[in-house]
Amino acid sequence: NAGVTQTPKFRVLKTGQSMTLLCAQDMNHEYMYWYRQDPGMGLRLIHYSVGEGTTAKGEVPDGYNVSRLKKQNFLLGLESAAPSQTSVYFCASRVKAAGKGEQYFGPGTRLTVT
Amino acid sequence: AQSVTQLGSHVSVSEGALVLLRCNYSSSVPPYLFWYVQYPNQGLQLLLKYTTGATLVKGINGFEAEFKKSETSFHLTKPSAHMSDAAEYFCACQDTGNQFYFGTGTSLTVIP
Repeated sequence: NAGVTQTPKFRVLKTGQSMTLLCAQDMNHEYMYWYRQDPGMGLRLIHYSVGEGTTAKGEVPDGYNVSRLKKQNFLLGLESAAPSQTSVYFCASRVKAAGKGEQYFGPGTRLTVT
Repeated sequence: AQSVTQLGSHVSVSEGALVLLRCNYSSSVPPYLFWYVQYPNQGLQLLLKYTTGATLVKGINGFEAEFKKSETSFHLTKPSAHMSDAAEYFCACQDTGNQFYFGTGTSLTVIP
């Protein structure tokens, strides 16, 4: 049981390049989330998904797109990277049932945009 | 929208001393509340959570937190700090929806 995994762990992009971050979970969780973590700002929600084929915007969605084609995977895309997107990205998942809402986090992807 | 405020971005305690990390939330409905710990270059791990029932919640590694509705607080405590407790701590709140709201984090330093 690997829990939540993220690939890649590190990436350096040039401004304007595109990339996709992959999040995978093997816990059969319905809900999945993408956050970014910046110094002094905690975690901010980018997008989330409450089930296969559904996505929704979070607090800071601009410049990102997501897809949830399979229940176990949640992809985060950057179509045209900008230096402001330099951050550490975390994926999380949780079960659907109310009151059991803790999230399980992946190890993170450190992205640098130059 | 909900919000979470963590007072003190940096807290230093001596080994063996009491750890107190403060968290206040704003919520119009009874929330679910969480404390997570993050060690360097790792993801977040759940320390403890409050959903319903007993307001004093015990978590892993000797930590506990008390939900005080009248004060809209969920402070994290540990009676005796250990060197291994040095990490970043995040308080989070969930309302009845699907989103979580995180505080900005408190970095705990333990002085030998």
